Amino acid sequence: GIQVEQSPPDLILQEGANSTLRCNFSDSVNNLQWFHQNPWGQLINLFYIPSGTKQNGRLSATTVATERYSLLYISSSQTTDSGVYFCAVRPDYKLSFGAGTTVTVRA
Amino acid sequence: DAGVIQSPRHEVTEMGQEVTLRCKPISGHNSLFWYRQTMMRGLELLIYFNNNVPIDDSGMPEDRFSAKMPNASFSTLKIQPSEPRDSAVYFCASSSQTGWSQPQHFGDGTRLSIL
Repeated sequence: GIQVEQSPPDLILQEGANSTLRCNFSDSVNNLQWFHQNPWGQLINLFYIPSGTKQNGRLSATTVATERYSLLYISSSQTTDSGVYFCAVRPDYKLSFGAGTTVTVRA
Repeated sequence: DAGVIQSPRHEVTEMGQEVTLRCKPISGHNSLFWYRQTMMRGLELLIYFNNNVPIDDSGMPEDRFSAKMPNASFSTLKIQPSEPRDSAVYFCASSSQTGWSQPQHFGDGTRLSIL
């Protein structure tokens, strides 16, 4: 099956810092989604981004499908950004998830 | 619009008991997925329904697990008998159309603890 690798596995930020999370995948996909799992365990849809660039407030994402990677940018991080960020790709009907990046934002 | 609704949010029960998890997909969505999240294996697909028909149940761990979708607005995942290793967070997700490019929308999950 398709391999999804996320880096870094862990990230500690000071409030206000910027960061970039990366997702590499091993095969072509029809869909790519970024999720934030908050401390309560909820999976929050951040972006649906099979290609191109999107922005939503302090977050933005870019997917270069031909090179099989996606980037998630967090700017001016806040403590509420803490949690696990998952990249998930959809080569067929199911989503295949990466292992996630655990982000801790310190005040 | 209401999102995917799962119940219960938390379930604690003793080994050997039957557990039933419930899911109401987003209205109009015709694809429904059950995922399980554990520390060891991360998020993995258990079963996929399309138009209420199970299409792929290869991720169901064993015969103790069963899932049904009697209509377009309701699905259940049942574990009988439950075991401590079934403890995990179970997510239900739905997406529109049969095309594989559509985003999946997740419920809040059911945190299951088997004692």
